[in-house]
Amino acid sequence: NAGVTQTPKFRILKIGQSMTLQCTQDMNHNYMYWYRQDPGMGLKLIYYSVGAGITDKGEVPNGYNVSRSTTEDFPLRLELAAPSQTSVYFCASSVRRGSNYGYTFGSGTRLTVV
Amino acid sequence: AQTVTQSQPEMSVQEAETVTLSCTYDTSESDYYLFWYKQPPSRQMILVIRQEAYKQQNATENRFSVNFQKAAKSFSLKISDSQLGDAAMYFCAYRGPQGGSEKLVFGKGTKLTVNP
Repeated sequence: NAGVTQTPKFRILKIGQSMTLQCTQDMNHNYMYWYRQDPGMGLKLIYYSVGAGITDKGEVPNGYNVSRSTTEDFPLRLELAAPSQTSVYFCASSVRRGSNYGYTFGSGTRLTVV
Repeated sequence: AQTVTQSQPEMSVQEAETVTLSCTYDTSESDYYLFWYKQPPSRQMILVIRQEAYKQQNATENRFSVNFQKAAKSFSLKISDSQLGDAAMYFCAYRGPQGGSEKLVFGKGTKLTVNP
């Protein structure tokens, strides 16, 4: 059981470039999330999804887009990379709404925009 | 909006000793969930312990326990018999009730150093 898998683990982008951060879970979780973690800060929610075809904005959605065509996959798209998007990105999933089991996190993607 | 505050950016403890990490939160809800996550240098977020607000009994997981004070909106983590492997960032997190906001709200974290 792989849990939540994120790729790539590291990436350097130039300003204005685009990329997609991949996230896949094999636990049949309906709820999936994207967070970013800036140095010395906690995690902030970018987007989340409560099921295939349903997504919603979190606290810091500007500059990002998501899609959820299947239960397993929840990719995060950066269209025009900016230095402010330099961060560590975490994907997570949850078994059900209101679950007391917290989230299962991926291992993160460290993104640097130069 | 809910907020989570960890007032200790850094803490240190001697190996085999006990340390308590503080967390306070702000919410108008009566039913919610609280979590402590550990983030070692590997970056992986690991769930340490969880607490349902409707339960009066404090959660315990082996050497980890919490002191949940609902009226004071306080949720501290106690690590007993500290081990070198406990060194990490620790994040307190809040999740609202079923049917409300689905996001985990995190504090800024406490960096725990364990001295041999």
